[in-house]
Amino acid sequence: NAGVMQNPRHLVRRRGQEARLRCSPMKGHSHVYWYRQLPEEGLKFMVYLQKENIIDESGMPKERFSAEFPKEGPSILRIQQVVRGDSAAYFCASSVASYNEQFFGPGTRLTVL
Amino acid sequence: GENVEQHPSTLSVQEGDSAVIKCTYSDSASNYFPWYKQELGKRPQLIIDIRSNVGEKKDQRIAVTLNKTAKHFSLHITETQPEDSAVYFCAARLSLNYGGSQGNLIFGKGTKLSVKP
Repeated sequence: NAGVMQNPRHLVRRRGQEARLRCSPMKGHSHVYWYRQLPEEGLKFMVYLQKENIIDESGMPKERFSAEFPKEGPSILRIQQVVRGDSAAYFCASSVASYNEQFFGPGTRLTVL
Repeated sequence: GENVEQHPSTLSVQEGDSAVIKCTYSDSASNYFPWYKQELGKRPQLIIDIRSNVGEKKDQRIAVTLNKTAKHFSLHITETQPEDSAVYFCAARLSLNYGGSQGNLIFGKGTKLSVKP
């Protein structure tokens, strides 16, 4: 019974490139949340998706960031034209329903050179 | 919106002692409070949670208490062991659909717990 999967685990990009982060929820979970964690800080909510729908993107920057959760395949967080300030650990979490426990993936550590 | 404050930011205890971490929240509409443990370079792991209809919950050496009136909740770890060393995060979640909430968690900034053998 695999937990939440994320890949890649580490991603290095140069300024101006695109970063694509993938998240496969636990089996049976159709709710995905993305969080960002800066060094020595807590996790900050970015976006909440269900299959094919963005439910809440209030924590996501308006520019350069986008997210999707297609009918088939993993959820993807996409960051265009990355800047050094985007360097962080990006975690996704999944749940059975919005009022249930959230279980986290191992995270993707993005480094922007 | 909701805001969660967590104290202390670092905590050092001797093995066998108890550790207490405290969090306060600002919005009385929050009704779910999980605690996560994060070891260095690893994922946050849910260790215990409490809902607003109870005041205390225990699981072996870990307990969480909730004071809704004062809007604070605490994590208690008894008989600490070196493997308890990690960063602990508290979080709060607003009632669904209150103020547009859709279930996302608001986290405190974390407490780095060190248990010395």
